[in-house]
Amino acid sequence: ETGVTQTPRHLVMGMTNKKSLKCEQHLGHNAMYWYKQSAKKPLELMFVYNFKEQTENNSVPSRFSPECPNSSHLFLHLHTLQPEDSALYLCASSQFQNQPQHFGDGTRLSIL
Amino acid sequence: EDQVTQSPEALRLQEGESSSLNCSYTVSGLRGLFWYRQDPGKGPEFLFTLYSAGEEKEKERLKATLTKKESFLHITAPKPEDSATYLCAVDGSGNTGKLIFGQGTTLQVKP
Repeated sequence: ETGVTQTPRHLVMGMTNKKSLKCEQHLGHNAMYWYKQSAKKPLELMFVYNFKEQTENNSVPSRFSPECPNSSHLFLHLHTLQPEDSALYLCASSQFQNQPQHFGDGTRLSIL
Repeated sequence: EDQVTQSPEALRLQEGESSSLNCSYTVSGLRGLFWYRQDPGKGPEFLFTLYSAGEEKEKERLKATLTKKESFLHITAPKPEDSATYLCAVDGSGNTGKLIFGQGTTLQVKP
């Protein structure tokens, strides 16, 4: 596989469930990102990781917990989510933090 | 506060009818301006990076230009397959990777 792969593509969960989103990049990049895309709103950066270290948390609620075990994998652990968290969650990667970011096709999350 | 505004929100063109999309930005120090294309159900696809005023980049029917306050994405003789949402983003963060995105322009090209 090439590029940035996100799984699952779709996820429906209740507010009390715990689930995880997975992102894997096969581009040899060193920086990885989580974004939230809601209808009628601009893409919103959530977290930035550079060489596995978190360098940015854009005031994201603690019910979203990221994990970056290595430069190729990024997870977003979800628990006790709210209906307003329903959105498309996009993962991206770049060679370095000032380089163009390449996106996966996202996970469409629906909170019941 | 860094800000990006794209206009128009939506644009309908006939095949072959050239036009331009606008991206106005306010940032303390521009490190880069990025254009992306997003198709329904897909993630954004990288098109161009512009770093300094006066810079231009071209790819097929698309040409991106940059001034100190705005960027334009010119579409020459568009085809139906150019239909997509075009996103503009700026990096004013000092190379932290923190991009600020505009809301996008949804382009529809009719045959």
